[in-house]
Amino acid sequence: AQSVTQLDSQVPVFEEAPVELRCNYSSSVSVYLFWYVQYPNQGLQLLLKYLSGSTLVKGINGFEAEFNKSQTSFHLRKPSVHISDTAEYFCAVHRMNRDDKIIFGKGTRLHILP
Amino acid sequence: DAMVIQNPRYQVTQFGKPVTLSCSQTLNHNVMYWYQQKSSQAPKLLFHYYDKDFNNEADTPDNFQSRRPNTSFCFLDIRSPGLGDAAMYLCATQLRGTAEAFFGQGTRLTVV
Repeated sequence: AQSVTQLDSQVPVFEEAPVELRCNYSSSVSVYLFWYVQYPNQGLQLLLKYLSGSTLVKGINGFEAEFNKSQTSFHLRKPSVHISDTAEYFCAVHRMNRDDKIIFGKGTRLHILP
Repeated sequence: DAMVIQNPRYQVTQFGKPVTLSCSQTLNHNVMYWYQQKSSQAPKLLFHYYDKDFNNEADTPDNFQSRRPNTSFCFLDIRSPGLGDAAMYLCATQLRGTAEAFFGQGTRLTVV
C-alpha cells in the first residue's frame, strides 16, 4: 500500500520569502504525484502534477515541485510567497495504471506573516 | 465554468434528520468520489463509483449511503446525522485510466 507523509503540519513564513513544503511517499510501484491547494471553505484545486518526464514540475501561482525518486520525495517550493498563498496544501499520490483511490497527506497549513 | 458542482455549498441539518448532498459534473467522467474532510484533516474517502460499480471503503459507516442515477449526478445520503458527521464533503471526478481528479467546491455540513 502507498502512503504520503507531510512532515510539517504548519509552516509560517514572511511575505516575499521563499518556502518549501515537504512531502515524502512510499509505494511499491510507480506513482503519479500531485499537490493540491485548499483555501478556506473551498474544495481542492490542483497546483501541479508529476506524471512522467522532467522531474521539475511547474504549476500555477508560481509554485514548482521536484520529483526525487531516490529520496521518494516531491517537495513544493515557491521563491517568493504572497499573502494570498495562505492556505492548506495537500500532497497526494496515485498508483500508475491502477484503479486505486488517491491517497492524501495530512496537509500543511501555510501561514504568511506580514 | 464550473465542471464539478456541489449543492448546496452550506447545509445545516438537525441531529438525526436525513440529509442529501448532491454533486453533478459536466466532464462525462466515469469515476466519481465522495470524501469527508474534518477540520484540519486530510480528505477521507467514503466511497467511489467506476461507472455504476459502487465501491465502499471498509471503514465508511452504514449511516452513509450513495446513489448515482446517471453519469452526471451522484448523491450522498446521511440517514441519521450525528454531531460527529459535521464536516466538509467533497465530490471529485476522474476519467478512468487517467491520473487527475477534479474536485467540486465542497458542501460544509453543520449538524445542530
